[in-house]
Amino acid sequence: QQQVKQSPQSLIVQKGGISIINCAYENTAFDYFPWYQQFPGKGPALLIAIRPDVSEKKEGRFTISFNKSAKQFSLHIMDSQPGDSATYFCAASTANFGNEKLTFGTGTRLTIIP
Amino acid sequence: DAGVTQSPTHLIKTRGQQVTLRCSPISGHKSVSWYQQVLGQGPQFIFQYYEKEERGRGNFPDRFSARQFPNYSSELNVNALLLGDSALYLCASSGQGRLETQYFGPGTRLLVL
Repeated sequence: QQQVKQSPQSLIVQKGGISIINCAYENTAFDYFPWYQQFPGKGPALLIAIRPDVSEKKEGRFTISFNKSAKQFSLHIMDSQPGDSATYFCAASTANFGNEKLTFGTGTRLTIIP
Repeated sequence: DAGVTQSPTHLIKTRGQQVTLRCSPISGHKSVSWYQQVLGQGPQFIFQYYEKEERGRGNFPDRFSARQFPNYSSELNVNALLLGDSALYLCASSGQGRLETQYFGPGTRLLVL
């Protein structure tokens, strides 16, 4: 049972453009929503994360938008650069102390073209 | 500081064999989690250990087992390997059981023939 649905599966964006990846979740107990970036041959790296008490979080060129009522959240990458080309995963967890089970989406392969 | 390290980086096994994967967490981290990432999919949670106790188990068969040692390193064991066990096995460690402090290792690529 897939609890976190991610789209699109792949995305091509021109350099300087905005990349947008969307996720939807089902489990209303989730209260921690991170995004991970993964390069080939590497493990996922935490990019940015949000908790449901805020609707938006921005770190540099990366922004998470969160819609609790719709059970959706999205990653926006502003001024996309070729170095951003990677696979991005959304995830969700009930971030109680000591509980670290992450439920991941299926991933989005992002390609930034010059 | 060294990140999460995993060994071996790659290995090839045949069906029915057993495999042991190893993980060394970041110094000071007491929590270790294991994930399976099949090609083209997101990681799937297998186990979490915190202070040497199992804190979580994913939807995997009993062929999968793990343990955490007093130095907080961990081993993942898979018995009676199936072709479908071919995947990247990821280990992640965190400090004080908080996901915000979690880092993933580079993974062990397992191929079952």
